[in-house]
Amino acid sequence: EVQLLESGGGLVQPGGSLRLSCAASGFTFSSYAMGWVRQAPGKGLEWVSVTSSSGGHRYYADSVKGRFTISRDNSKNTLYLQMDSLRAEDTAVYYCAKVVGIVDPFDHWGQGTLVTVSS
Amino acid sequence: QSALTQPASVSGSPGQSITISCTGTSSDVGAYNYVSWYQQHPGKAPKLMIYDVSNRPSGVSNRFSGSKSGNTASLTISGLQAEDEADYYCSSYTTSSTSVFGGGTKLTVL
Repeated sequence: EVQLLESGGGLVQPGGSLRLSCAASGFTFSSYAMGWVRQAPGKGLEWVSVTSSSGGHRYYADSVKGRFTISRDNSKNTLYLQMDSLRAEDTAVYYCAKVVGIVDPFDHWGQGTLVTVSS
Repeated sequence: QSALTQPASVSGSPGQSITISCTGTSSDVGAYNYVSWYQQHPGKAPKLMIYDVSNRPSGVSNRFSGSKSGNTASLTISGLQAEDEADYYCSSYTTSSTSVFGGGTKLTVL
């Protein structure tokens, strides 16, 4: 059974940094692209970033490009999202998800971790 | 990377069929046959229902079907059931090698 468990969310001040982690199990992690999708409170889904299976290719939404960095450690079956220069509009539940294609679709999702950017 | 356009809400009675539209541009929906649909119940993670315009993942009911014409994709749910009440999101691969979601549609089963 595929399991994705996010961690690292919390309250951070504007301009601050946070690193999210996603521990994966139940599938061959190194064979699949992985990504992050976020959902602001009461709002819709927003595609954030995807990394290829090897980590050699990384894709970002314009809204986070230059501020967020996606990475992975295939030896630890773990996906990361380093978030810098955080803004209030980055407040959201961040989902880790397994990619079937290149940058989508997402066939398995974690339960999400809440990031709140506020002073 | 503008969001795809979906109706804010749709409704139907049990047993009926409903269709949710998803309109994009020639840079996303119209460019590839890579449109997906997700179902999300309140407080839960999204679930993939349709991928590559019309393909269903294993375990998804055949009451769910997808199609596309030009820059508009559609999700049809036939034989509506109470458990289908949820938010539905479309998404599409784009010519920028990214993906974009629709704004979401709230389905109410009357």
